[in-house]
Amino acid sequence: QSVLTQPPSVSAAPGQKVTISCSGSSSNIGNNYVSWYQQLPGTAPKLLIYENNKRPSGIPDRFSGSKSGTSATLGITGLQTGDEADYYCGTWDSSLSAHVVFGGGTKLTVL
Amino acid sequence: QLQLQESGPGLVKPSETLSLTCTVSGGSISSSSYYWGWIRQPPGKGLEWIGSIYYSGSTYYNPSLKSRVTISVDTSKNQFSLKLSSVTAADTAVYYCAHMGYMITFGGRNGYFDYWGQGTLVTVSS
Repeated sequence: QSVLTQPPSVSAAPGQKVTISCSGSSSNIGNNYVSWYQQLPGTAPKLLIYENNKRPSGIPDRFSGSKSGTSATLGITGLQTGDEADYYCGTWDSSLSAHVVFGGGTKLTVL
Repeated sequence: QLQLQESGPGLVKPSETLSLTCTVSGGSISSSSYYWGWIRQPPGKGLEWIGSIYYSGSTYYNPSLKSRVTISVDTSKNQFSLKLSSVTAADTAVYYCAHMGYMITFGGRNGYFDYWGQGTLVTVSS
């Protein structure tokens, strides 16, 4: 089981908006920054969001990130069929020795 | 544009040591404020961070794997490496190397993987 909890799957129609949640605790999300990754089938993960809400160059503003307390959220607007992928949240955990943790992943289906 | 490429055996026998190397091109492995990491993904499952290393040799390891993992860096070759000992079938996975932006601020630890290798499948089987 992952330290960070994500819904296994979400779905929405093309053009619609979807949000993916990532729930943690004070030892991880509550006191560290969150990043989000998109993994298309058969490919390496791709950074979508870092530092809770910043987008790397080349990532469209349809993708957004936010954090509140011990939870984080990835938002995707104007859904496209090409957005169908697995999405992972990640952060650092400061319990015991500092280490990186990932959520279990969320499969996005664009209906 | 930074590029990373994993290399190493695709098949390892149980109880033996898995060894992989990541070659970095398009940038220096000795760049400050950046770490280099290993992440794995068992077939059909999620991402698991293995560990990260700074060019000076400073490391962070996943506590659940720490007793079996060694990550090292060779700045002269612009490479970093992973060794995972006493492997079992549970270590079968796609192994990714990645570049990690990292800083510690008043807001906490800020670490993210912005460049990834394509991944290499390592199967543990006799």
